[in-house]
Amino acid sequence: AQSVTQLGSHVSVSEGALVLLRCNYSSSVPPYLFWYVQYPNQGLQLLLKYTTGATLVKGINGFEAEFKKSETSFHLTKPSAHMSDAAEYFCAVSVTGTSGGGADGLTFGKGTHLIIQP
Amino acid sequence: EPEVTQTPSHQVTQMGQEVILRCVPISNHLYFYWYRQILGQKVEFLVSFYNNEISEKSEIFDDQFSVERPDGSNFTLKIRSTKLEDSAMYFCASSGGRASGNTIYFGEGSWLTVV
Repeated sequence: AQSVTQLGSHVSVSEGALVLLRCNYSSSVPPYLFWYVQYPNQGLQLLLKYTTGATLVKGINGFEAEFKKSETSFHLTKPSAHMSDAAEYFCAVSVTGTSGGGADGLTFGKGTHLIIQP
Repeated sequence: EPEVTQTPSHQVTQMGQEVILRCVPISNHLYFYWYRQILGQKVEFLVSFYNNEISEKSEIFDDQFSVERPDGSNFTLKIRSTKLEDSAMYFCASSGGRASGNTIYFGEGSWLTVV
């Protein structure tokens, strides 16, 4: 079975500073990895995903993440934080051949609440 | 942009009552899911549905829960006799598999409060 660990339930950064949200996974087979964002009182919105190919993936709103197999990590970064980035961020993993679109869905981490200080 | 829609957005029900949460997945999608998120906790997988039957279910999805696709558009989650611990946000999701880049799209959730 796969699992996801997100280090830090809360991360606080200043506006304009680098954002780094950590995600480590465990999986017995090559994983498919996702980051979702949840704004207050809203649903889950896909930020980016890694399936195969290039290990550095770019997503919406200036976010990117790098898949590092040797470290079993998929950390999310953004060079310069904006106030509108304040939200809950979830890392998720799937190991199905259809990368999350198949039968067993996604396994989520516990989430990291990103706080942006003015 | 196509989206997954859910109703109701918020429902309060008494313990022991039956609840039906409704979802309209994205129209050409083939895989359907329900997840739940208890307040302050992580999002948890409940069940996946494909080809008019349950594909996988978690240990949370016990006999109190059922899913149905009664027509070509709706996908419902029924909780037969609600318990206090069923209070949570329930997310419906859908995917077209490879046709949609293998991405799961989520609705905005239905917040269920059991009193």
